[in-house]
This record gives sequence, C-alpha cells and structure tokens, in this order.
Amino acid sequence: DAGVTQSPTHLIKTRGQHVTLRCSPISGHKSVSWYQQVLGQGPQFIFQYYEKEERGRGNFPDRFSARQFPNYSSELNVNALLLGDSALYLCASSLGGGLETEAFFGQGTRLTVV
Amino acid sequence: RKEVEQDPGPFNVPEGATVAFNCTYSNSASQSFFWYRQDCRKEPKLLMSVYSSGNEDGRFTAQLNRASQYISLLIRDSKLSDSATYLCVVNPGGGGANSKLTFGKGITLSVRP
Repeated sequence: DAGVTQSPTHLIKTRGQHVTLRCSPISGHKSVSWYQQVLGQGPQFIFQYYEKEERGRGNFPDRFSARQFPNYSSELNVNALLLGDSALYLCASSLGGGLETEAFFGQGTRLTVV
Repeated sequence: RKEVEQDPGPFNVPEGATVAFNCTYSNSASQSFFWYRQDCRKEPKLLMSVYSSGNEDGRFTAQLNRASQYISLLIRDSKLSDSATYLCVVNPGGGGANSKLTFGKGITLSVRP
C-alpha cells in the first residue's frame, strides 16, 4: 500500500520566490496536516484540512496558505520566501476520526531558500 | 513556557542500558499523547500512544501523569537500532483541528556497542 507521498523531495528557491508543495494522503484518509521542521527542532503545525475545509491553523504568517482537493490531496503554498523558510516540510494524513487517530507522515520536502 | 518540553540531550548509552526520557506539557486540557521516533533525515513515525494507565510494548513503556502534566518513555535493554530522535507529542484538541500535533524539540539517543 502506498503511504503518504510528497513532491518534490528537494527544492532550492531564491528569496522572494513562491513555492508549491504537494501531498497525497493514504487512500481513505480524509485529513491532511502540514508541519514545518527546522534543523534541530520538532515539527511545528502549520495547517490541518479535513474534508476539504481548513480545521486548524498554526502560528504562521499569511504568506503560508494551503488547500485540499476533492481527492483529499493537498497543496501548501508559500509566497515571498525568506531564508528562514528553509526547512523540512512534512505532510501527515489521518483518518480524521478522532483525537487519538494516528498521523502518518510523508518523507517530506526539503526546501532550501538561498 | 513552551507547550511541550523535553529533557535536553543527547543521550549516549551502551547496548543493554535502560534509558528514560521525560516530557512536560503546558496545556492541562490536552487530549492525547504520543511518542514518535524520527531517524536521521527521515519522517517521524508513531512509536506508541500514551495512556494514564501506562502502556508497554516490548522493551518500551510509556506513562502519563495528567496531574503533573508529565509524560515519560522508558526503553529497556537498548539496542543499536534504537538510536534515533524521540519526540514527545501532545494533541491539545479543540477548535476542530483533531490532528494538530504539538511536538517537543526531540531528544537524540545514541546506543553504542
């Protein structure tokens, strides 16, 4: 069975540019969450989408946006990239049925902003 | 105060050692608790959920103390393959975001031969 897939795996962008990261959840999972992990830190929550609606937003600027499509895949968009946006971006999918539902993570997209 | 705080590391132990990791969380209304494992340059993976009654999975034992807002993980008879970063994770719940996981900084364990 396919797990959570993210694309691209690595990306280098220049300050001020825009980036779109993509995530396909496990088949049957309706919830997708995005996390940012900078080196030496734990992942930090950015967004959660469930049934195509935003259900939660972390403490990130408006440059960060996301959406979920009818097939439950998701995109994370970041505008006006800053050097500090360099990080591993993780997507997690879950059935979304409850608080103890296990979240399965993709391998992440490693974004470098130069 | 950080939402989830873990012991500073790293931990470097010999094979066969018992090691304990501790974690505290600030939101007393938090709903669910986990330990995740993250190998170098890989994604986090669920190691185990944590319950007030305590739970054990082989060499791993997790404990939750809601009154003290404290979570622990005990690893017995450490193996080389246990070398990884261990992340304490809390789901505060509420607000409709049932998958908003709050991670600690992580603690790195190195098990040496």
